[in-house]
Amino acid sequence: DADVTQTPRNRITKTGKRIMLECSQTKGHDRMYWYRQDPGLGLRLIYYSFDVKDINKGEISDGYSVSRQAQAKFSLSLESAIPNQTALYFCATSDPWQQETQYFGPGTRLLVL
Amino acid sequence: GQNIDQPTEMTATEGAIVQINCTYQTSGFNGLFWYQQHAGEAPTFLSYNVLDGLEEKGRFSSFLSRSKGYSYLLLKELQMKDSASYLCAVRGRRTTSGTYKYIFGTGTRLKVLA
Repeated sequence: DADVTQTPRNRITKTGKRIMLECSQTKGHDRMYWYRQDPGLGLRLIYYSFDVKDINKGEISDGYSVSRQAQAKFSLSLESAIPNQTALYFCATSDPWQQETQYFGPGTRLLVL
Repeated sequence: GQNIDQPTEMTATEGAIVQINCTYQTSGFNGLFWYQQHAGEAPTFLSYNVLDGLEEKGRFSSFLSRSKGYSYLLLKELQMKDSASYLCAVRGRRTTSGTYKYIFGTGTRLKVLA
């Protein structure tokens, strides 16, 4: 079984709709992250969380919100989707005792029409 | 500013050796990572360097020179399955919230030809 899972894997939505991307992990890591990947831009950090009570903005948090429901679950919401949020979204976890190596989920491909 | 540069694309032949370079300019340095990403899949960890020198792991090796802001990933005995993007990432300065600022390069797409 995969250590980091994401649902849905693919999603098509319309401008203005609210959507939620979910991430679960069985690695037992406290630290979780949401990234987006766009062609030619690399991976960019949206939000990260060190534990259930800790939420921090990354470099591109505008238009997004997150919820850390439990150590194993970290959700990303787009309150009102817009076309330039079309991207590949990755959830990741890390362990500070492993140099913060990022362990990525399989990704969610989002298309906003 | 903070920047990571890697070639966009490289092509090599099966069985050959290829070197993928990465140069970086970051505020603070706490390690350099290489990740492999097959098309449409998640990045997976390959190597980590925090001290100068070469780290060898099977067919893959990674080199770091902190004074030059330079790293390379060396892939030997190339196989078709090595066709993928290779991402260079630097763990930069520690932030006020206690984590490290991660900067990812845009990746080098490697094509291995038969």
